[in-house]
Amino acid sequence: SQQGEEDPQALSIQEGENATMNCSYKTSINNLQWYRQNSGRGLVHLILIRSNEREKHSGRLRVTLDTSKKSSSLLITASRAADTASYFCAPFGGGGNKLTFGTGTQLKVEL
Amino acid sequence: DAGVIQSPRHEVTEMGQEVTLRCKPISGHDYLFWYRQTMMRGLELLIYFNNNVPIDDSGMPEDRFSAKMPNASFSTLKIQPSEPRDSAVYFCASSGATNEKLFFGSGTQLSVL
Repeated sequence: SQQGEEDPQALSIQEGENATMNCSYKTSINNLQWYRQNSGRGLVHLILIRSNEREKHSGRLRVTLDTSKKSSSLLITASRAADTASYFCAPFGGGGNKLTFGTGTQLKVEL
Repeated sequence: DAGVIQSPRHEVTEMGQEVTLRCKPISGHDYLFWYRQTMMRGLELLIYFNNNVPIDDSGMPEDRFSAKMPNASFSTLKIQPSEPRDSAVYFCASSGATNEKLFFGSGTQLSVL
């Protein structure tokens, strides 16, 4: 298994702005998943993008995947204070049947 | 479905005591994972099960940690004896297939004094 590395480590924006987070990984994948963690809570799955997909949308979320660069990005449009959380990417593949997580991006959306 | 259920929500114990954390996965899920989260080390995978069988326990930090899954609806993570450095939030997660999304419980906040 492998873990993704999220960038930036922390991001602070104003409500209504877009937030972009990036993820890099090292080996080939079957899919890549994004999760959100609100303070004091468990992780919540946001979106899964498969290795043969380049872009995926879910509500205000847009995820892209570039397997040639081994990178992914998560875009949250029109952010809200409720989007304040930590965001993790989890690449799946490269051996093993387990998901491991990096340190995440801490997003703060201010009113 | 009620989701993944963990108990207790909070546990405070003294060094040297035995601690048992419990998890009920989502019905029908074949995979169960135990994670530990600390500020210093982030989210670490400790062990995972497939169809009640431990598959990979390479993340279990020491022999003081043990995990069991006696049936498809229940798993335990035991620490004996506990130490202050075991203080962390312990999460249980389950999934229906090997490469699909995980559903996390609310976690157990463990404090070892």
